[in-house]
Amino acid sequence: GQNIDQPTEMTATEGAIVQINCTYQTSGFNGLFWYQQHAGEAPTFLSYNVLDGLEEKGRFSSFLSRSKGYSYLLLKELQMKDSASYLCAVENSNYQLIWGAGTKLIIKP
Amino acid sequence: DSGVTQTPKHLITATGQRVTLRCSPRSGDLSVYWYQQSLDQGLQFLIQYYNGEERAKGNILERFSAQQFPDLHSELNLSSLELGDSALYFCASSAEQGRTDTQYFGPGTRLTVL
Repeated sequence: GQNIDQPTEMTATEGAIVQINCTYQTSGFNGLFWYQQHAGEAPTFLSYNVLDGLEEKGRFSSFLSRSKGYSYLLLKELQMKDSASYLCAVENSNYQLIWGAGTKLIIKP
Repeated sequence: DSGVTQTPKHLITATGQRVTLRCSPRSGDLSVYWYQQSLDQGLQFLIQYYNGEERAKGNILERFSAQQFPDLHSELNLSSLELGDSALYFCASSAEQGRTDTQYFGPGTRLTVL
């Protein structure tokens, strides 16, 4: 089968750094996406990784290791508005997106 | 604003009824995807259309059907509604089929079945 694993919930402090992990087992790999979703709102695209390594975009960075089937999303200088769910999704060899259940991130002052 | 539009924003109906949700993709996008998200649950992929043809099916119930029209807008039809069908229904679009492309999501339709 195909599956994506992420922690269900994480808590962090405003101004700190948090790392959200994602491990995957899929039939082939064509890329990994991270989306942010605030409660009751649509998911919005954050990042895409297809090669190993770190992609940095402002306060957010995403890392991929294809050999380990592993990715993480790193959020720096946390702000209250970063409280949201973070969804990991992997595109398999059929170009189908397999979605993780999401990690709910709670930011405390 | 992703450029994907969905109507209506909210829908309240009764068990046993039928509803139609509408989605217009971003300009130029050929693929449309439908997702269901129940309260505090993950995204469940329902179905994908590409340029008017069904391309992939996920966990879509037989009571649900969809289509994509020549102008590329899509409709999701939900019939014989049950309480458990209450959820957020998202539509997403992407440019092409058969290559990696980012999906952009509409604001969703919140369906409440009473």
